[in-house]
Amino acid sequence: QKEVEQDPGPLSVPEGAIVSLNCTYSNSAFQYFMWYRQYSRKGPELLMYTYSSGNKEDGRFTAQVDKSSKYISLFIRDSQPSDSATYLCATDSNYQLIWGAGTKLIIKP
Amino acid sequence: DSGVTQTPKHLITATGQRVTLRCSPRSGDLSVYWYQQSLDQGLQFLIQYYNGEERAKGNILERFSAQQFPDLHSELNLSSLELGDSALYFCASSTRAGANEQFFGPGTRLTVL
Repeated sequence: QKEVEQDPGPLSVPEGAIVSLNCTYSNSAFQYFMWYRQYSRKGPELLMYTYSSGNKEDGRFTAQVDKSSKYISLFIRDSQPSDSATYLCATDSNYQLIWGAGTKLIIKP
Repeated sequence: DSGVTQTPKHLITATGQRVTLRCSPRSGDLSVYWYQQSLDQGLQFLIQYYNGEERAKGNILERFSAQQFPDLHSELNLSSLELGDSALYFCASSTRAGANEQFFGPGTRLTVL
């Protein structure tokens, strides 16, 4: 079992929809959780960073961590074609980031 | 723009050759991380340096090596190159030794023919 599981997609939704991207993790000791966005063949860009449980909001993006179920989510409201990218979740363990495989998101105009 | 720079952007070379990839971290960042991303694959952590010293090692081949210099820039050396080494190589930096909040460079695309 991988330490961080993420459905690779692709996930295709119409413009304006609310997008839900999810990851599960196996180790309850993980405390820090991150979401990165990667446009094709570009460097990943840090979107959201959360510590422990709860929600964090930044504009159209909301990151949610549920430690009881070891589940992390990223919600995108009012999705735009420019949001089309691969979204990677990650957690911090012993000076390394443990990465999900990334979910490819396609927003259809 | 993350503030992390990588050179060169593209590199085309032949099997058996050796190349050096260069990374300059964001101003003030002491940690540098190297990653490999093959076509349509996830990010594979290779190695981390913190303030000149190796801090963590991932799935780095023995043919690969890295170092971080006193001015904090880092180089990744890839030798005896094979076709399977063709990939995007990313450098990331962070302020602390901990791995969270990494900022990535634009990557070097390596093609081995």
